[in-house]
Amino acid sequence: QVQLLQSAAEMKNPGASVKLSCEASGYTFTTYPVHWVRQAPGQGLEWMGWIYPGTGDTKYSQIFQARVTFTRDTSASTVYLDLTGLRSEDTAVYYCARTSLGGTDFDHWGQGTLVTVSS
Amino acid sequence: SYVLTQPPSVSVAPEKTAMITCGGNDIGSRSVHWYQQKPGQVPVVVISNDSDRPSGIPERFSGSNSGNTATLTISRVEAGDEADYYCQVWDSSSGVLFGGGTKLTVL
Repeated sequence: QVQLLQSAAEMKNPGASVKLSCEASGYTFTTYPVHWVRQAPGQGLEWMGWIYPGTGDTKYSQIFQARVTFTRDTSASTVYLDLTGLRSEDTAVYYCARTSLGGTDFDHWGQGTLVTVSS
Repeated sequence: SYVLTQPPSVSVAPEKTAMITCGGNDIGSRSVHWYQQKPGQVPVVVISNDSDRPSGIPERFSGSNSGNTATLTISRVEAGDEADYYCQVWDSSSGVLFGGGTKLTVL
């Protein structure tokens, strides 16, 4: 079955960077876009962007464009999120999610990775 | 930029019908998806493409979309339906957009 397995929780100081991973299994990794969505404590869902593993093409939300980079390793069926210049407002659960084939809805989600930014 | 507006909260008695709206300019021309998120859990799509119900989602969940409002309707509400619900669309310039979310309380 389709699974998206995310890396463990992270604690970072303000100004630091964080790299999260999302390992896909149960489907052809290069065929489906993978998105990153975050959720601050008690807040709603916020889209960060997507990467198409087949080509490495990316699209970033304007909110994060200056600080975020998505990459992928096709040999490991894994996508990565790099977020720089962390601040306390970046404390959130970060999800990777797959869109359905040819669709724009998220049919599978990772379990989420909590990133805590605090001095 | 395009904005999706949801009521912060909706309350409904068990066995009654809950309607959660998602407002947006000419949203009827877009495909709307709805997610249910229970506390501490990952979001789950309950309605895709306005009114499609994924496998495993009860028939009590339905969706509609016309004009400036999309609606998620939950019939015969159960205690287990208590959750946050988010609408979502794709925008060609902004990418993925989520509504602010609606907390459904079952009285």
